[in-house]
Amino acid sequence: SQKIEQNSEALNIQEGKTATLTCNYTNYSPAYLQWYRQDPGRGPVFLLLIRENEKEKRKERLKVTFDTTLKQSLFHITASQPADSATYLCALVGSGNTGKLIFGQGTTLQVKP
Amino acid sequence: GAVVSQHPSWVICKSGTSVKIECRSLDFQATTMFWYRQFPKQSLMLMATSNEGSKATYEQGVEKDKFLINHASLTLSTLTVTSAHPEDSSFYICSARESGAYNSPLHFGNGTRLTVT
Repeated sequence: SQKIEQNSEALNIQEGKTATLTCNYTNYSPAYLQWYRQDPGRGPVFLLLIRENEKEKRKERLKVTFDTTLKQSLFHITASQPADSATYLCALVGSGNTGKLIFGQGTTLQVKP
Repeated sequence: GAVVSQHPSWVICKSGTSVKIECRSLDFQATTMFWYRQFPKQSLMLMATSNEGSKATYEQGVEKDKFLINHASLTLSTLTVTSAHPEDSSFYICSARESGAYNSPLHFGNGTRLTVT
């Protein structure tokens, strides 16, 4: 069955460093991959979408890579700030073009001042 | 930007009662809305796809008679948890797409924290 895995352990980094989060998937050949941010007690907020034919996508301090051979996406936050502390979720559109979005379990990032 | 409003943000009910959660797209029309459930420190689990004017499509393992979904207009979907039990306590989140493209981002409501006592 389709499976999306993110590191369930929290990532703690120092302010100003680059945070790198990993999303791996199996039994899947998605054409698109999305990343969301979720703060405690709130709904997720869309950050970036990357297509299978795009190796890399950037938005301000965010960068996403998509390696369809490794079946992996990396999410980077450069010059991290305490305000970046949140849970980051990767998501793939389920098979069958139904539009259903399947989420990984998320990785919690804690940026310390 | 597209806004999805969810109400109530939290609710406490007694076991055996029913609770209705509303999800509205405020500045766009949504023919399809998605309902998710999230347990603490776990991922969002898709419960059902709500289709305007037709029956909802439920994911495997989700009881359609327990989680009633109604999508009566292009801007409103409701989820009713019937005969709630403590194990139904969870964070329920709805979402919708502004664009019809199946790969376009989802806009989420801020969720409803349901506690069944």
